[in-house]
Amino acid sequence: DAGITQSPRYKITETGRQVTLMCHQTWSHSYMFWYRQDLGHGLRLIYYSAAADITDKGEVPDGYVVSRSKTENFPLTLESATRSQTSVYFCASSEWTGQSQPQHFGDGTRLSIL
Amino acid sequence: EDKVVQSPLSLVVHEGDTVTLNCSYEVTNFRSLLWYKQEKKAPTFLFMLTSSGIEKKSGRLSSILDKKELFSILNITATQTGDSAIYLCAVERDSNYQLIWGAGTKLIIKP
Repeated sequence: DAGITQSPRYKITETGRQVTLMCHQTWSHSYMFWYRQDLGHGLRLIYYSAAADITDKGEVPDGYVVSRSKTENFPLTLESATRSQTSVYFCASSEWTGQSQPQHFGDGTRLSIL
Repeated sequence: EDKVVQSPLSLVVHEGDTVTLNCSYEVTNFRSLLWYKQEKKAPTFLFMLTSSGIEKKSGRLSSILDKKELFSILNITATQTGDSAIYLCAVERDSNYQLIWGAGTKLIIKP
């Protein structure tokens, strides 16, 4: 049971570069989410997706792009990285059953932008 | 503005103690409240609460929701060093199924 996996686990890059964080889930969950976690801010939602080809902005979407061509994958791209995007990024997924379902998280990607 | 506030922000106790973590919320269109435990990596799901007054229990952990007073508590009895973690509370909104997260309570259990 692989669950939800993120790659890479760690990434160092430079300002202005494009970087893509990958997220893959094996549960066929409808919903997928991208969060960033920073000291003093807790978890903040960047983007989410209700199904393939359906994405929507969260609380802090500026500077990020997402796509969801397949149910199982939800990559997050920083088109031109800035130092303020240094953070730990978590991907999560949840089922859609018509009732509340918990989100399940990947192990995160620690991204440092120099 | 919707918000979720956890208290205390940090807590240090000794093994065997009982702790109570608090989560209060002001969220329009409340749907559910969730508790997560975060050690070094991913937050892991503990409880989901949707109804007032019904205790959820798992081993030494339990949680209850009060929808009238807009808060939840997470109790941990007979604490162990493995309980050391950040405990996160989140509230789901009915309107868009997004979670509003609290800042977390950092719990340290001393042997």
